[in-house]
Amino acid sequence: ETGVTQTPRHLVMGMTNKKSLKCEQHLGHNAMYWYKQSAKKPLELMFVYSLEERVENNSVPSRFSPECPNSSHLFLHLHTLQPEDSALYLCASSQVSTGYEQYFGPGTRLTVT
Amino acid sequence: ELKVEQNPLFLSMQEGKNYTIYCNYSTTSDRLYWYRQDPGKSLESLFVLLSNGAVKQEGRLMASLDTKARLSTLHITAAVHDLSATYFCAVGETSGSRLTFGEGTQLTVNP
Repeated sequence: ETGVTQTPRHLVMGMTNKKSLKCEQHLGHNAMYWYKQSAKKPLELMFVYSLEERVENNSVPSRFSPECPNSSHLFLHLHTLQPEDSALYLCASSQVSTGYEQYFGPGTRLTVT
Repeated sequence: ELKVEQNPLFLSMQEGKNYTIYCNYSTTSDRLYWYRQDPGKSLESLFVLLSNGAVKQEGRLMASLDTKARLSTLHITAAVHDLSATYFCAVGETSGSRLTFGEGTQLTVNP
């Protein structure tokens, strides 16, 4: 595997379900990010982990819970979501010391029914 | 709070024509990035601009950065259909790794 991978690529879940999104980066980076992309809206930064510490949480509802067990892996735990949470969830990674260029994964298309 | 504005948001152009997409931002930064997104796909990095006056070119696309004017441009030369996509600029804050994205410019190149 190369670059940034995300699983699953598609997810349909009910409002009472609990699921997790997984992201893995194979680039040796030390920062990872979760973004939400909804139709007709700019990318919204949700969480930032730098050197495995959460450094940013942009007023994201508590039904989204991130976890970064090491610099290569990032999870987004989901529970009791709402239909408006349906979106493309993108993971990205960057190297803090070299210009912060972010490399994106393919995304998880989430539908909440 | 850093704000990033792109214009136009929608651009329909004919093959062979030239056009420019503009990205304005509201606070000081010397890090600007351009990304491309095809429908249903993720974001692909196009250019990284890290200093005033930086100019990068790849094929029919050329990006530039003027940090004093807080403006970046993405110039398209002799457009071809394969360039149809949504283009995003993203601006880095002066400290930390956060990027703020513009709304994106949806480009359609017609034969």
